[in-house]
Amino acid sequence: GAVVSQHPSWVICKSGTSVKIECRSLDFQATTMFWYRQFPKQSLMLMATSNEGSKATYEQGVEKDKFLINHASLTLSTLTVTSAHPEDSSFYICSVSRVSNTEAFFGQGTRLTVV
Amino acid sequence: QKEVEQNSGPLSVPEGAIASLNCTYSDRVSQSFFWYRQYSGKSPELIMSIYSNGDKEDGRFTAQLNKASQYVSLLIRDSQPSDSATYLCAVVNTGNQFYFGTGTSLTVIP
Repeated sequence: GAVVSQHPSWVICKSGTSVKIECRSLDFQATTMFWYRQFPKQSLMLMATSNEGSKATYEQGVEKDKFLINHASLTLSTLTVTSAHPEDSSFYICSVSRVSNTEAFFGQGTRLTVV
Repeated sequence: QKEVEQNSGPLSVPEGAIASLNCTYSDRVSQSFFWYRQYSGKSPELIMSIYSNGDKEDGRFTAQLNKASQYVSLLIRDSQPSDSATYLCAVVNTGNQFYFGTGTSLTVIP
């Protein structure tokens, strides 16, 4: 069965609105979760590392005020795309790992379309 | 982002042939290496993991790692049409952050 549940699987929103994406670890507690973004025909780009109980760590070039990450519990991390614009349209995917340097389990992904 | 390079392809092989996918990485302290398969519009799914130098075989798949050359490869034997997908090489650092290559698109021709 699924190890990671991501919701919603797709969302369409108007430009200027905010969208929240949830990532749940179903099988184990995850102190760390990861958020990726994938544009068409491109690879997954790590956006940020979500840390339970503390601030997320963002990759260079990712705006922390635009992509708000909350990791309030050991099984849930949320990514909020604030004031979304059409260029934010992308496939957003979260992942978790049981222990360091082992397989990453991915959520189903969220297809965001901003119109 | 740490650099992970793959041949973007597309790579086309006939059914039954061997498909060879290559990946190089820049971060010498990388600890773990993975190959994922991704179908269009779907999340990646794990194919192989490899942690030490040498070969690792799992069914039709063989991963090869050479840390000195910072090179990891994936061989798919007896390729099937269902193997047609994008293959992503992933390199993991000590912080457990995964960095992916751009992916190689593979088409297996029946």
